[in-house]
Amino acid sequence: SAVISQKPSRDICQRGTSLTIQCQVDSQVTMMFWYRQQPGQSLTLIATANQGSEATYESGFVIDKFPISRPNLTFSTLTVSNMSPEDSSIYLCSADRGPETQYFGPGTRLLVL
Amino acid sequence: GQQLNQSPQSMFIQEGEDVSMNCTSSSIFNTWLWYKQDPGEGPVLLIALYKAGELTSNGRLTAQFGITRKDSFLNISASIPSDVGIYFCAGRYQGAQKLVFGQGTRLTINP
Repeated sequence: SAVISQKPSRDICQRGTSLTIQCQVDSQVTMMFWYRQQPGQSLTLIATANQGSEATYESGFVIDKFPISRPNLTFSTLTVSNMSPEDSSIYLCSADRGPETQYFGPGTRLLVL
Repeated sequence: GQQLNQSPQSMFIQEGEDVSMNCTSSSIFNTWLWYKQDPGEGPVLLIALYKAGELTSNGRLTAQFGITRKDSFLNISASIPSDVGIYFCAGRYQGAQKLVFGQGTRLTINP
């Protein structure tokens, strides 16, 4: 299994500001993923991040709102831009570790006031 | 986005009882994964299934990849208080990078 850490673990932010969430994996991985989980709901994929290429966004998510960086094979960031209360959620990163499994970080709990 | 049909949505059981939950899809999957999420934590992978008909155990947990490749189930035997949490199934299409998740089954255990 992979060890995945996220920072910050939680934050309270003001409307209109931006927050960057970091995800660190303990070994090199090809694919990293960013999810959003709203209270009491399942996981919704925001985007897939490959090292060295632009992230691939799912329907309903755009790069201007959720810019993603993937500078190397162990690290990625997700920025939640121009936040509104509707962005209050848990943001999770995950990484592919063979065969065909994904492991998740502990999540970042975001509250936007 | 697309989701799997996971049932039941919630379960209230007595400690020691067995638990069964399942996921169904209208599409064929190449991989089925089962996760458990505790409050305030990320999902933890419990069991991964890769072949139709495959039956895999992890302690008191047993999961099966349906023959049709459109369903999977998870059984928990002799439940204990630490089994409380939300269980998610997830499927992956052949050649796909991303997972499709079920809605989750919330398990509550009465001591």
